[in-house]
Amino acid sequence: QSALTQPASVSGSPGQSITISCTGTSSDVGNYNFVSWYQQHPGKAPKLMIYEGSKRPPGVSNRYSGSKSGNTASLTISGLQAEDEADYYCCSYAGSYTWVFGGGTKLTVL
Amino acid sequence: EVQLVESGGGLVQSGGSLRLSCAASGFTFSDSWMSWVRQAPGKGLEWVATIKPDGSETYYVDSVKGRFTISRDNAKNSLDLQMNSLRAEDSAVYYCARGGSTHFGNWGQGTLVTVSS
Repeated sequence: QSALTQPASVSGSPGQSITISCTGTSSDVGNYNFVSWYQQHPGKAPKLMIYEGSKRPPGVSNRYSGSKSGNTASLTISGLQAEDEADYYCCSYAGSYTWVFGGGTKLTVL
Repeated sequence: EVQLVESGGGLVQSGGSLRLSCAASGFTFSDSWMSWVRQAPGKGLEWVATIKPDGSETYYVDSVKGRFTISRDNAKNSLDLQMNSLRAEDSAVYYCARGGSTHFGNWGQGTLVTVSS
């Protein structure tokens, strides 16, 4: 149950697009279509942004999109806005109803 | 509106016990997988435990197996986490989350557990 690997930080200017990667193994990300992404603002609870790799819950902006290739999942945010500045965590099913999170990525909007 | 409200956190000595609770509303609790996820101060999220809708099966991260027990009362729309033999590394904000079969769709605001050594 090792954590998924995410970059510690990414940054972008308003209006730009950024991508956050999430690398796992063939035992988690590479083997299942259950990767989800969570946004967390300081002092707040996490919020689901993407589930099952690329699906958006109701109310989440279509500026958020998810994808996967092999053992790596990605979250792309287009048209960056100041409100997007937050920590982002990926999460993958790891079999037998166990879950593993990434270490988190701090997004800074310049 | 889905609401998850945790309670029961606090300061406890190493080796001690604590019971966390989560009151759920705004959805059909008895049909929902439920989980606990924790976050140590300044650190990332860590999945802790999940329970099936009928409570028949439970799942745990290796580091808490044998020490923590997740349970639910569908008649009261409540989820619990009994934590025994607590260690300093269990110190964290504990979040109650709806889900655990495909993702974690809703989260509570969390309750802080501090284990002093």
